[in-house]
Order: sequence, then C-alpha cells, then structure tokens
Amino acid sequence: DAKTTQPPSMDCAEGRAANLPCNHSTISGNEYVYWYRQIHSQGPQYIIHGLKNNETNEMASLIITEDRKSSTLILPHATLRDTAVYYCIVIGVTGRRALTFGSGTRLQVQP
Amino acid sequence: NAGVTQTPKFRVLKTGQSMTLLCAQDMNHEYMYWYRQDPGMGLRLIHYSVGEGTTAKGEVPDGYNVSRLKKQNFLLGLESAAPSQTSVYFCASRKRAGGGDTQYFGPGTRLTVL
Repeated sequence: DAKTTQPPSMDCAEGRAANLPCNHSTISGNEYVYWYRQIHSQGPQYIIHGLKNNETNEMASLIITEDRKSSTLILPHATLRDTAVYYCIVIGVTGRRALTFGSGTRLQVQP
Repeated sequence: NAGVTQTPKFRVLKTGQSMTLLCAQDMNHEYMYWYRQDPGMGLRLIHYSVGEGTTAKGEVPDGYNVSRLKKQNFLLGLESAAPSQTSVYFCASRKRAGGGDTQYFGPGTRLTVL
C-alpha cells in the first residue's frame, strides 16, 4: 500500500470549512484513498473513501486530484465535535487489507 | 445492531499474568482484526482473520495469540503479559468484498501491565 504524508496539525474556526490535505504520490491504479478519524480515546471512525472521482457523504467531501497523487478531505462546517486526529490511508483491493495508520493530522476546531 | 464490541474495557495485569480480550461483531463480517495503539502513535496490526477458523500474523504479533472459532468472535490472548504490552487494543471487522468496503472499530480495551 502506498505511503501517505499529512501535516501534523491544523486549526479551524468553528462553523468554517476544514480542508485536510494528504499526499500519496506513489498510489497505484487500484488503490483507494480512505479517511478515518479518531476522537480522543475512541476507536477510529470511517469518514469517506474514493478511487478516482470526488465523493461526498453526510460527513464530508473528498477531492482527489486528477493524477491521484493527492487528496483533500473537506468538513464543510466544522464543529467542536470534529476535533480529532484524521488519518488518510491508501489501500489496495487484494490481500488482508489491514489499515496502515501513520501519524495523521490533529485537527483542533476553535470556538 | 451493536456493531463491534470489546470486553473488557479496562484491565490491569501484573507481569507474567495471562488474559484474553474478546471482540464480537453482529454484522456477519468475514474479516476481523486486532490492532494496538501506543500513546501518541497510530494503530499497528497484531493479528487478523479472513474467516472462521483462520488467523494470520500482522506487523507486531509477538507475545500474542488469537483464535476465531466462531465467525462473530475474535479472541486475543496474552499468555505472559509484559510491561511493553501496555497499550490500547482495538478490534475491527469488515465484510469480505472487493474494493470499497470499510472497517468498523470497537471502543477499545485499555490494558496496563505492571
């Protein structure tokens, strides 16, 4: 699975959009981009995933560049409850498909 | 639908003691995983299972054993606990499918080995 690079921390004002970047320049054609988050002391929570196209669900939007070498997770209206560590993970479709967690981005939503 | 549950939530052991952590899922998922998370770090895979009766090693399997006798349960055993095994343990499960399926995590078990 391809390696990912994320900024260690970011701040965002409550009610504003939070844009979390992820670089995955070695991603291969059949690998997906997944985003999970971990709120303090809790188990990781799935947010969204995509292959090529941009995706949106009730939690967030995922923008993947055309060359697929980077992506951005967008929380459109961040709340204090969105304060968490966000993990960008690239994973293929075969094999054990366990998640490889890096250090992630610690997002602090400020009131 | 409870999702993924873990028992116990907290445990304190003395060095050399043994214990078993239980993970249960009610989503009829094929794959199950055990991860550990040390303070300030990401999760690391201990063992996993791709179906009932099967198990395999992950990145950090030493000191742990697992069993998957029933599809809904995945047990993690520590035969002789060591202080280095102080950690938070997370269980996860997912459907067996092609690309696009997700893992669902339990709330974690916080283990301290003195």
